[in-house]
Amino acid sequence: EVQLVESGGGLVKPGGSLRLSCAASGFSFSSYSMNWVRQAPGKGLEWVSSISSGSGYIYYADSVKGRFTISRDNVKNLLYLQMNSLRAEDTAIYYCARDWGWFDYWGQGTLVTVSS
Amino acid sequence: DVVMTQSPLSLPVTLGQPASFSCRSSQSLEHSDGNTYLNWFQQRPGQSPRRLIYRVSNRDSGVPDRFSGSGSGTDFTLKISRVEAEDVGIYYCMQATHWPLTFGGGTKVEIK
Repeated sequence: EVQLVESGGGLVKPGGSLRLSCAASGFSFSSYSMNWVRQAPGKGLEWVSSISSGSGYIYYADSVKGRFTISRDNVKNLLYLQMNSLRAEDTAIYYCARDWGWFDYWGQGTLVTVSS
Repeated sequence: DVVMTQSPLSLPVTLGQPASFSCRSSQSLEHSDGNTYLNWFQQRPGQSPRRLIYRVSNRDSGVPDRFSGSGSGTDFTLKISRVEAEDVGIYYCMQATHWPLTFGGGTKVEIK
């Protein structure tokens, strides 16, 4: 069974940093591209970043470019999102999802709150 | 960036009746590989999004056959043939043909 489990969310002050993780199981992680998608409270879905299976291709939304870094560890089956210079508008549930063409499996999400 | 426009924003429906919602893109979603990467997702209250339809009209495993997707180019439609109570939620379209990937704003389905 495919499972994606996010962790690392929490309360952080504006300007602070946080690293999210997504633990993958039930499939060959190293064969799939991966994504981060976020959802601000009461709002719609916003694509954040994607990474190819071998980390050779990486894409970011303009809203996070230069502040967030996506990475992965294909040995540990982990996807990461390093978030720096956090702003109030980054407050959201962050989901990881499999495959940038398909988004066929999603995790349960982890809540990031940016507030002083 | 490709703008995905969904309508209506909200759709009150009667149980057992059909429902239809629209998704329009600002550019054609046909990829150079010949595929059209238009997905539909359902998000029930308090849950993660769940994919219902991929590549315009392919239903995911376990998705009831009352859901169907259609369209091409820039115009796409999701239909529910007979709405059931479990269909309440927000439906999003998403294009994965062009970077950056973009979602529509969603259509909220509620029971009258």
